[in-house]
Amino acid sequence: AQRVTQPEKLLSVFKGAPVELKCNYSYSGSPELFWYVQYSRQRLQLLLRHISRESIKGFTADLNKGETSFHLKKPFAQEEDSAMYYCALRGSGNTGKLIFGQGTTLQVKP
Amino acid sequence: GAVVSQHPSWVICKSGTSVKIECRSLDFQATTMFWYRQFPKQSLMLMATSNEGSKATYEQGVEKDKFLINHASLTLSTLTVTSAHPEDSSFYICSARQAGLYSEQFFGPGTRLTVL
Repeated sequence: AQRVTQPEKLLSVFKGAPVELKCNYSYSGSPELFWYVQYSRQRLQLLLRHISRESIKGFTADLNKGETSFHLKKPFAQEEDSAMYYCALRGSGNTGKLIFGQGTTLQVKP
Repeated sequence: GAVVSQHPSWVICKSGTSVKIECRSLDFQATTMFWYRQFPKQSLMLMATSNEGSKATYEQGVEKDKFLINHASLTLSTLTVTSAHPEDSSFYICSARQAGLYSEQFFGPGTRLTVL
């Protein structure tokens, strides 16, 4: 079964501190992993995906198939990073549906 | 980037009535649309997946007769909550993607349904 787990409901850090939002997944094949962000009162938007291997707004995420993880990292958090972050998985060979983790609220304090 | 719109953005209805929510892809052809439900401070729960011109595929535990989904064109999908009850009150979000293995999925702004 497909499953995405984000163990932290809330992560609170000070501005300038490093951030790591954890994501673990369960999938038997080769999944596609994503991070979505939802700022206050805004719609969900794609932050990054593992196949792109790019850094967006200073965030990076590496797919670790051995540990089945896709943790989101940023070396220096900014106040504007405060938002809800969702890790999501899309399996191969299906209709392309995204399965979301529970979400982690990132709170960056001044 | 591509835009997905939803209408209405919020709706209040009486228990027992039916409510229709529209989801449109404004500048691309959405071969697949998805409907999610989000409870306060919780994650998005996939309700169903619909491909244009086909019947929707519902996730386990979602009543297809309760949540009617129609994907009549490549730019429009509708979700009808039939005989709504207070427990159906929620935030409903649609998303859409074009054909293609690695195509991006775009999300609508959501519709807040309150059933009195």
